[in-house]
Formats: sequence, C-alpha cells, structure tokens
Amino acid sequence: GAVVSQHPSRVICKSGTSVKIECRSLDFQATTMFWYRQFPKQSLMLMATSNEGSKATYEQGVEKDKFLINHASLTLSTLTVTSAHPEDSSFYICSARGLLQETQYFGPGTRLLVL
Amino acid sequence: EDQVTQSPEALRLQEGESSSLNCSYTVSGLRGLFWYRQDPGKGPEFLFTLYSAGEEKEKERLKATLTKKESFLHITAPKPEDSATYLCAVAHMDSNYQLIWGAGTKLIIKP
Repeated sequence: GAVVSQHPSRVICKSGTSVKIECRSLDFQATTMFWYRQFPKQSLMLMATSNEGSKATYEQGVEKDKFLINHASLTLSTLTVTSAHPEDSSFYICSARGLLQETQYFGPGTRLLVL
Repeated sequence: EDQVTQSPEALRLQEGESSSLNCSYTVSGLRGLFWYRQDPGKGPEFLFTLYSAGEEKEKERLKATLTKKESFLHITAPKPEDSATYLCAVAHMDSNYQLIWGAGTKLIIKP
C-alpha cells in the first residue's frame, strides 16, 4: 500500500517552455501533497505544501508564479514549471500523506533538464 | 530552532559488519521521527515512523530506536543491497506535517 507515482520520470525541454509534472496517489486519498526539489548530493528542499481543494503554501524563496501547483483532487497534484530556464534543471519529487496519516510517501521523482 | 543532524556523513562497511547510524534532533514538540532510504536517482522509500522515546521498530536487518534527543538506525549483518543514503526527518507538532530533514548518511556495503 501507499504507492505514489510521478509522470514523467524524465523530461528535457527548451528554455522558455513550460513543463507539467503529475503526482498521483494510487491506493490512498492524499489529504496533503508536498513538492520537493533535490540538488546533487544534497537533502530534499521543500518547495510547497498543498491541501486538496486549497491553494498551495510556498516556502520562502520559491516563486509561486514560476512553480504552479494544483491539487484538484484527493489523488492528483500537478507542478508546472513555467518559462523554464537552465537553472530550473533539477530532480523534483512529490510526496503525499493521507487523512490521519503521519507518514509522507514519496514518488519516484522527475528529472528535469532545461536546455 | 528545530534541527536534525545525521552522522556519520558516510559509512563504509564490509558485508556482515553491523553498525549504527545516528540522527540527533532538536524540536520543541515532536510529532514523529521518520527514517527513509534513498537510492541514487529515486525518491525516498519509507522505512519507519517513531513517535515517542523508548519506541523501537524492526524490518529485516534494520532496527530503529528513539530517545528524547536522538534516533539510531541499527543495521545487522548488512548486505551490498543495503547500500543507499539513509535520511532522517522530524515533524513538529504544530507543523502541517512538514518535515525537517537531516543531510543523510551514505552507506556503502562492500562484498
């Protein structure tokens, strides 16, 4: 149980384009979803927290207009990187927790490369 | 300030050589302490959640323990497939289940 999927697993795009990453909880309803960014050999950096049906809460320093998060249902959250630039290249990981659950379950991650 | 410190940064062991990883934490009101395993290029895989001092949990060759100041992840007779980065995180009682992460311990098990 507690499986989270992400799609796509890898994406390469040109500078200036937008990229959408999907995060799905496959066997539970995700009350809260989290989006992280991870740089090589570093720990996870929380970007934003979203509760189903509510606006996402962004961490300090994360541009909400650049990283659009939608949590429209209890099983799906999306992260859209708008007007991507090479500095946005990174490993993006989502996680989800269900109602009354303390534990976050993570997706496999999406590797984004902006050329 | 809430903080999580993991040690050592890296640990190299021979197959079968047991050891422990440490996670020291400072948080005013612990909701839970979490251990994850992360393989290169993948998302973290959940291992354990601990809630109160004295609690212990086991899974195969891994055993996690918790005190009021730290947690240990004991690895008994490790195998090469146990090689990974082990991440520790804590959640504050008043947080929206957000996690405060340690930097991780990279474990390498040599055959």
